[in-house]
Amino acid sequence: KNQVEQSPQSLIILEGKNCTLQCNYTVSPFSNLRWYKQDTGRGPVSLTIMTFSENTKSNGRYTATLDADTKQSSLHITASQLSDSASYICVVSRTGANNLFFGTGTRLTVIP
Amino acid sequence: NAGVTQTPKFQVLKTGQSMTLQCAQDMNHEYMSWYRQDPGMGLRLIHYSVGAGITDQGEVPNGYNVSRSTTEDFPLRLLSAAPSQTSVYFCASSRRREGEQYFGPGTRLTVT
Repeated sequence: KNQVEQSPQSLIILEGKNCTLQCNYTVSPFSNLRWYKQDTGRGPVSLTIMTFSENTKSNGRYTATLDADTKQSSLHITASQLSDSASYICVVSRTGANNLFFGTGTRLTVIP
Repeated sequence: NAGVTQTPKFQVLKTGQSMTLQCAQDMNHEYMSWYRQDPGMGLRLIHYSVGAGITDQGEVPNGYNVSRSTTEDFPLRLLSAAPSQTSVYFCASSRRREGEQYFGPGTRLTVT
């Protein structure tokens, strides 16, 4: 069964600290993996897209890693800011399929 | 560019009523899709379109219709609203099926 699981479900960190969010998937055959940020009441916004051959990709303070062998990805946020408070969604695309497989997200709260 | 726009932002319907959720994009994207987002669940694909005149069903299409008469517009019609359709609806577009998706701001629908 094609699934995407994220952990933790929620996370609270102090402003300025780093954190890492996890994504495990069983989607096959794999096409690409995306991380989205979704602010409350807004639509998801793309952070990174990684294909099979890419094992790391950065977007400012966000760095995503991909291990296609173990089917795991992580999103590392450096020097967190209050504006990082959002849900982070992992999405996996399957080759030849029209639907994407969405995780349920990690709710990150950054406190001063 | 306005990106992906959706109207209305909020809507309350009575059971049995019909309505159309509007979605438009000005990026000349071929691929457009509709998702619903429910608490504790990942986004689920309702319908999608790979170009003007072409639509297909996603994961949860029952109770919804779509059409794609132009590249820019992709309306979602609720035929006879039911309380189970209470959700937040997102429209998304991308240049190609596996490309980066751009999401609209969402429509929060409540069916009483």
